[in-house]
Amino acid sequence: NAGVTQTPKFQVLKTGQSMTLQCAQDMNHEYMSWYRQDPGMGLRLIHYSVGAGITDQGEVPNGYNVSRSTTEDFPLRLLSAAPSQTSVYFCASSGTGGNVLTFGAGSRLTVL
Amino acid sequence: GIQVEQSPPDLILQEGANSTLRCNFSDSVNNLQWFHQNPWGQLINLFYIPSGTKQNGRLSATTVATERYSLLYISSSQTTDSGVYFCAVEPGGGFKTIFGAGTRLFVKA
Repeated sequence: NAGVTQTPKFQVLKTGQSMTLQCAQDMNHEYMSWYRQDPGMGLRLIHYSVGAGITDQGEVPNGYNVSRSTTEDFPLRLLSAAPSQTSVYFCASSGTGGNVLTFGAGSRLTVL
Repeated sequence: GIQVEQSPPDLILQEGANSTLRCNFSDSVNNLQWFHQNPWGQLINLFYIPSGTKQNGRLSATTVATERYSLLYISSSQTTDSGVYFCAVEPGGGFKTIFGAGTRLFVKA
């Protein structure tokens, strides 16, 4: 039982490049979400999903796309990376109906 | 949207001391969780506590939903308690979980 798995752990991009951060969970959780954490700040919600085929925007969605084709996977896409997207990204999941959020280990992204 | 404010922002304790961390939120919530982020960045859930009081070893938490605040108590602090403590709330009528800015705790040996 792996929990929430994020890949890659580290990534360096040049401005304008695109990439996808992967997130997978094996707990059959309906709810999945992406956060970014900048130095000295809390976690800010980027996008979230309450089930396959359903996604919605969080607090800071601009510059990011998501899709949810299966219950297990929730990838986060950066279409044209900018230095302002340098951050640590966390994926989380939970069952619906009020359940504990389980986090992945994080992905550290640097955009030059 | 809902505002989540945590205090104090920073806290330094001597090992063995007790402390209280506070989380205020601006609107009604479906649930509230406390997390600890260790120095390696790992986020661990401490409590799921939309209301009432819970205890887990040296940690306990109380949420008074009607007054829109929650408290996290740490007793007999240890150096391993160092890190950042986050409060996170799910606003009523929605599925988003919104985090406060955190309380950074350093426990000195």
